[in-house]
Amino acid sequence: AQSVTQLDSQVPVFEEAPVELRCNYSSSVSVYLFWYVQYPNQGLQLLLKYLSGSTLVKGINGFEAEFNKSQTSFHLRKPSVHISDTAEYFCAVRSGSARQLTFGSGTQLTVLP
Amino acid sequence: ETGVTQSPTHLIKTRGQQVTLRCSSQSGHNTVSWYQQALGQGPQFIFQYYREEENGRGNFPPRFSGLQFPNYSSELNVNALELDDSALYLCASSLDRINYGYTFGSGTRLTVV
Repeated sequence: AQSVTQLDSQVPVFEEAPVELRCNYSSSVSVYLFWYVQYPNQGLQLLLKYLSGSTLVKGINGFEAEFNKSQTSFHLRKPSVHISDTAEYFCAVRSGSARQLTFGSGTQLTVLP
Repeated sequence: ETGVTQSPTHLIKTRGQQVTLRCSSQSGHNTVSWYQQALGQGPQFIFQYYREEENGRGNFPPRFSGLQFPNYSSELNVNALELDDSALYLCASSLDRINYGYTFGSGTRLTVV
């Protein structure tokens, strides 16, 4: 079985400060990991994904994430956030032969002026 | 290329009624999945269709059913609506490859009163 834990439900941060959104997963087989962003009243937009290869993955809007197999983590980072980054962020895993994505409960990132 | 489009965007139904939600997959994608996102939660997998057949299902009762058509568009049907069915319903399309990501639509907001 696969599961995802997002450790922080809300993360407030000042504009231009760095941010890290934490994600841990549980799976007994190989995994594919994703981060999605959801703006109010909208669907999910893919930020980045880890499929294989380099453990440091770069995505859109200046976000990056690092896959750490030993710690079963896939934390999302941005060195300098903007007001427009305010949104809900979801970590998701697809593992083994599973058909579906399993999502975490989300982290609300609020960028303060 | 076109993205994933869903209709309608909003819907209000009465408890006990039936509802049909529609989704047009991204061009070239042969797999469609449906997710339910309750307020304040991450999306939960309902089921997936590939080549017009259901090939994966989450923990949802049989009154949630679906169809996929030859052009890969899809419907989600929910019978005997309950108040707890109020949620954002997301459609996602993909290719049937384990390492391929999903493209999500903007969702249908269903309110059951």
